[in-house]
Amino acid sequence: KQEVTQIPAALSVPEGENLVLNCSFTDSAIYNLQWFRQDPGKGLTSLLLIQSSQREQTSGRLNASLDKSSGRSTLYIAASQPGDSATYLCAVNWNAGNMLTFGGGTRLMVKP
Amino acid sequence: EADIYQTPRYLVIGTGKKITLECSQTMGHDKMYWYQQDPGMELHLIHYSYGVNSTEKGDLSSESTVSRIRTEHFPLTLESARPSHTSQYLCASRKGTQTMNTEAFFGQGTRLTVV
Repeated sequence: KQEVTQIPAALSVPEGENLVLNCSFTDSAIYNLQWFRQDPGKGLTSLLLIQSSQREQTSGRLNASLDKSSGRSTLYIAASQPGDSATYLCAVNWNAGNMLTFGGGTRLMVKP
Repeated sequence: EADIYQTPRYLVIGTGKKITLECSQTMGHDKMYWYQQDPGMELHLIHYSYGVNSTEKGDLSSESTVSRIRTEHFPLTLESARPSHTSQYLCASRKGTQTMNTEAFFGQGTRLTVV
């Protein structure tokens, strides 16, 4: 079964810290992987999309990496700020399907 | 910036009422999706569409129905609302073909409460 897992479920860090969020997937035959941010009660905001042929993508303080062989993606957030507090979700699009399969998310709190 | 809109943002309605949640996108995306999400919980796909007149049920069983008469519009209907339908409903869209899928964009969601 194709599953996506995010550990830890929650993370609390002091402002200014660099941090890494993890995403694991069970089937390495992915088409692409997307990272999202969700604020409480809101929709999802797309952060980064990594195609299967790419190793990483960067946007500002965010850097996402992809290692298909190990079934892992990481989202690196540099110099975290209280405004980064949100739930971060990764979603995988597998080759055979057209649907995104989501992980359970990591709820991040950055304390001032 | 995503051009996908959901209305209403919040809805409180009585049991047994018929409701339609609206989702529209102006990006010309052929693929559209409805997800259901309870507070603090995972997203579950309930419906999707690959294009006009194409709709399929998702992984999570749902009593709702959808239609796709126009590319930009993907409404979700509950014929008879029940308290168990209380949840947040999220609409998404992306461009794609049989072999290519681009970045997915989400609307702001509709928070439905059935009393």
